[in-house]
Amino acid sequence: DIQMTQSPSSLSASVGDRVTITCQASQDISSYLNWYQQRPGKAPKLLIYDASNLETGVPSRFSGSGSGTVFTFTISSLQPEDIATYFCQQFDNLPYTFGQGTKLEIK
Amino acid sequence: EVQLVESGGGLVQPGGSLRLSCAASGFTFSSYYMSWVRQAPGKGLEWVANIKPDGSEKYYVGSVKGRFTISRDSAKNSLFLQMNSLRAEDTAVYYCARESRWRGSYRFDSWGQGTLVTVSS
Repeated sequence: DIQMTQSPSSLSASVGDRVTITCQASQDISSYLNWYQQRPGKAPKLLIYDASNLETGVPSRFSGSGSGTVFTFTISSLQPEDIATYFCQQFDNLPYTFGQGTKLEIK
Repeated sequence: EVQLVESGGGLVQPGGSLRLSCAASGFTFSSYYMSWVRQAPGKGLEWVANIKPDGSEKYYVGSVKGRFTISRDSAKNSLFLQMNSLRAEDTAVYYCARESRWRGSYRFDSWGQGTLVTVSS
């Protein structure tokens, strides 16, 4: 199975800060990577697909980049409603696997 | 509007069985792959199984193979997960998710609210 490793596991930042999360795959997955946001008590929500494509309706402050084994997810200007846990997910091979999540808090 | 509504969760003893359902609406259910994804309390997400639009192919994560069965009924726009020989480690919120596929791009673009399964004596 492909292992997905996210860093950091948790992050505290101030409103307006630029926030970056990294996801590393245990093998080359090309651009077959998605990012999800999960607010407390809610279902996950797709934000970025194919490593860098913004899902319809998602604010442009969210972005993703990378290919191969290293990927980054960025919030350009953190907003209070961005408090959530963020997960990366690979779809290069079954079983689909997720990163362990990055919990984002407001400082 | 796409809607996925899970049901069937609850408390079950180790070794017991449970059948989860997911009612889909707002899209052409018979055209989409569908998946179950679970999340143990306070933990991350784990993909469990998926099924082809026509039901002809099914895939499972290793830890549930031989114990769980995914199925669908397109006439009723419903997805199911039959869970047998349940273990404590199967305790989780189970989400139904629509799996969109387009030109090699796969993603879970719609999720239900989840149903909690607790395996405990």
